[in-house]
Amino acid sequence: KAGVTQTPRYLIKTRGQQVTLSCSPISGHRSVSWYQQTPGQGLQFLFEYFSETQRNKGNFPGRFSGRQFSNSRSEMNVSTLELGDSALYLCASSLKEQRNEKLFFGSGTQLSVL
Amino acid sequence: AQSVSQHNHHVILSEAASLELGCNYSYGGTVNLFWYVQYPGQHLQLLLKYFSGDPLVKGIKGFEAEFIKSKFSFNLRKPSVQWSDTAEYFCAVGWPEGYNKLIFGAGTRLAVHP
Repeated sequence: KAGVTQTPRYLIKTRGQQVTLSCSPISGHRSVSWYQQTPGQGLQFLFEYFSETQRNKGNFPGRFSGRQFSNSRSEMNVSTLELGDSALYLCASSLKEQRNEKLFFGSGTQLSVL
Repeated sequence: AQSVSQHNHHVILSEAASLELGCNYSYGGTVNLFWYVQYPGQHLQLLLKYFSGDPLVKGIKGFEAEFIKSKFSFNLRKPSVQWSDTAEYFCAVGWPEGYNKLIFGAGTRLAVHP
């Protein structure tokens, strides 16, 4: 069974641009969560989607948004990029609707903002 | 706000030494506790989790963790480490109302020398 797939693997953008990251969960998984990982702040929760609905959100500005499609694939978008948005963005999927299920993480998208 | 503290950022051990990584959280309600591990070049993966019941939980590869509610702690242990345990270890807390939102600690980098 294929794991969580994130594309692209690396991205380089400049300040002010916007970026879209993609995540394909494990087949059958309906929950997709996004995390930002930086050396200074560690892993921070961005948002979670289940059945195309955002059901939880972290403390990030409105420039960070996401969505989930009917096939459970998810995208996150960051607009008006800032230098501080440079990070590894991780996507995680889980199987069931139950809360606090085991998360399966992808390899991440490394975003560099210049 | 919920938070997770991991006391050691870097730990260096020799093979066969015993391991204990500290984790404390701040949240007054019911919690679910996790240890995730990231081996070099691999995805984050679940090592073990505590939801309820026996406060001593066993995970993969001989790891165990003990939940001590009065101390808000969930320390990870292994009696005898191997070189292959070299990895970064993350403690995380979730709660029933949070769905799959997890608060992660900063991580502990473990290096095991043969």
